[in-house]
Amino acid sequence: QKEVEQDPGPLSVPEGAIVSLNCTYSNSAFQYFMWYRQYSRKGPELLMYTYSSGNKEDGRFTAQVDKSSKYISLFIRDSQPSDSATYLCAMSGAGGSARQLTFGSGTQLTVLP
Amino acid sequence: GAVVSQHPSWVICKSGTSVKIECRSLDFQATTMFWYRQFPKQSLMLMATSNEGSKATYEQGVEKDKFLINHASLTLSTLTVTSAHPEDSSFYICSASGAAQETQYFGPGTRLLVL
Repeated sequence: QKEVEQDPGPLSVPEGAIVSLNCTYSNSAFQYFMWYRQYSRKGPELLMYTYSSGNKEDGRFTAQVDKSSKYISLFIRDSQPSDSATYLCAMSGAGGSARQLTFGSGTQLTVLP
Repeated sequence: GAVVSQHPSWVICKSGTSVKIECRSLDFQATTMFWYRQFPKQSLMLMATSNEGSKATYEQGVEKDKFLINHASLTLSTLTVTSAHPEDSSFYICSASGAAQETQYFGPGTRLLVL
């Protein structure tokens, strides 16, 4: 079993839809949770970063963490074609090398105009 | 803030030559830098972790004599692919993390093609 499981998609939605991206994890020692967006042939871009259970909102993006269920989500409201990318969840803080990230496999999202 | 650059963005070289990729943190001091490799439609694979002024720590299966990493300053790390071969062709991405940061900021990546 992988430490971090992410729905691989691909996911295709119409413009304006609400998108839900999810990851589950098995290591309860993870303390920090991130979502990255990666466009084709580019490096990942940090979208959201949180370290506690609950919701964190930034514009059209909401990150949700439920440590008791070992489950994190990223919601995108009013999705736009420019949101089409691969979304990676990542976690850290479980010991070992400081700040080393454990990634999900990524979900490819396409927002259709 | 938290901008990381990489140079070059792409490189084509002949088999047997060495290629150096630079990674710079532009607006913060990167106490730790990471080098990743990514194959098409796959997630990032960590190659090595380097702390400024120390030797890099390589992940299992990554040849340290093949992939030389230098982290000589708080804003610069380099990855040198020595005696490159076609199987080294890939997308290489660096990331950086500052002393008070628990996350990583990624560079735009370097696409290497070895002929």
